[in-house]
Amino acid sequence: QQQVKQSPQSLIVQKGGISIINCAYENTAFDYFPWYQQFPGKGPALLIAIRPDVSEKKEGRFTISFNKSAKQFSLHIMDSQPGDSATYFCAANSIIQGAQKLVFGQGTRLTINP
Amino acid sequence: NAGVMQNPRHLVRRRGQEARLRCSPMKGHSHVYWYRQLPEEGLKFMVYLQKENIIDESGMPKERFSAEFPKEGPSILRIQQVVRGDSAAYFCASSPRTGGPGTEAFFGQGTRLTVV
Repeated sequence: QQQVKQSPQSLIVQKGGISIINCAYENTAFDYFPWYQQFPGKGPALLIAIRPDVSEKKEGRFTISFNKSAKQFSLHIMDSQPGDSATYFCAANSIIQGAQKLVFGQGTRLTINP
Repeated sequence: NAGVMQNPRHLVRRRGQEARLRCSPMKGHSHVYWYRQLPEEGLKFMVYLQKENIIDESGMPKERFSAEFPKEGPSILRIQQVVRGDSAAYFCASSPRTGGPGTEAFFGQGTRLTVV
């Protein structure tokens, strides 16, 4: 069963704080783990992604931590800003005939209070 | 803008009518994916297509739903005899032909279907 479980469902963080969203997966065949950011009325946009042979990837204020043995990965947003308020989806990717099929987590609605 | 284009952005249908949702992938992309997002929920995979081929339709309801990606023109997601439970946002994504690990899927803005 291809599943990705995401928590928490919603998160409120003060401006300047650290936002942490967690995901867990079951299928060890997943080989690519992207995070998407979605604003209301818009499509999901790729934020940052990691391969399972790397334990951490950082891009600006966004960091993915990856624990292969535990089959868990998380998104950390440092110095959270009101503009980061959005819904965040983790995903896991499997390859079918040379192209990817993404399985998404349930999403986390992040609110950054000014 | 060379992004994934979906139309219409909003679609209202009465119960029993047909809904047709269109998706034009990014230039150079020949892999198209359709996802459904119910209110307050995540994205659920429906179908993955390449030109003239359905590769994986494991997430597609067995009845009333169909998808195609013809040699020419956009990909179409068709929902026949719509019911209130079909009301959702439908997103299309595309990726390059030479996709592999690390190849991003780019999403369109979605079509919000409302069945009244």
